[in-house]
Amino acid sequence: NAGVTQTPKFQVLKTGQSMTLQCAQDMNHEYMSWYRQDPGMGLRLIHYSVGAGITDQGEVPNGYNVSRSTTEDFPLRLLSAAPSQTSVYFCASSAAGLAGSGYEQFFGPGTRLTVL
Amino acid sequence: GENVEQHPSTLSVQEGDSAVIKCTYSDSASNYFPWYKQELGKRPQLIIDIRSNVGEKKDQRIAVTLNKTAKHFSLHITETQPEDSAVYFCAASMREVTGGGNKLTFGTGTQLKVEL
Repeated sequence: NAGVTQTPKFQVLKTGQSMTLQCAQDMNHEYMSWYRQDPGMGLRLIHYSVGAGITDQGEVPNGYNVSRSTTEDFPLRLLSAAPSQTSVYFCASSAAGLAGSGYEQFFGPGTRLTVL
Repeated sequence: GENVEQHPSTLSVQEGDSAVIKCTYSDSASNYFPWYKQELGKRPQLIIDIRSNVGEKKDQRIAVTLNKTAKHFSLHITETQPEDSAVYFCAASMREVTGGGNKLTFGTGTQLKVEL
């Protein structure tokens, strides 16, 4: 049971390049989310999904796209990288559950992205 | 949307002393309040959480209290140890019974340093 996995661990892009950050979980969780972490700002939600085929925007969605074709995978696409997207990106997953069941979000190890 | 404020941003205590971190939230509909610990270069990990139908929860040296009327919640760590040194994040979510997902809004973090 690998939990939540992310690739790559590190990435350097030039302004204007595109790339996809990969996220996968093997816990059969319905909910998956992408956060970015910047110094002094905590973690901010980019996009999230409540199940395959369903996605929605979070607090800072501009410049990012997501799709959820399977329960396991939730890739994050940077369409045209900008220096402001330099950050650490975390993927997380949790079970849907009902009131009274576990709500814990499990985080992946993160991807450190630098945009030059 | 939800807004979570966290204080202090840094906290230094002597080993064996207690540490208290406080958070306030803005959306009275929020009903789930987790606390995460993040060590340098690592992923956030849940250490304790509380739901809005509970006023206090304790797990060994860690406790969380919730005041729904005042919309604030606090993390208490007793008998601090050097391994407690890390960044701690509070978060709030309007966890719905079905659907809706688990969108967490994070505070900006507290750097806790436990000195020998």
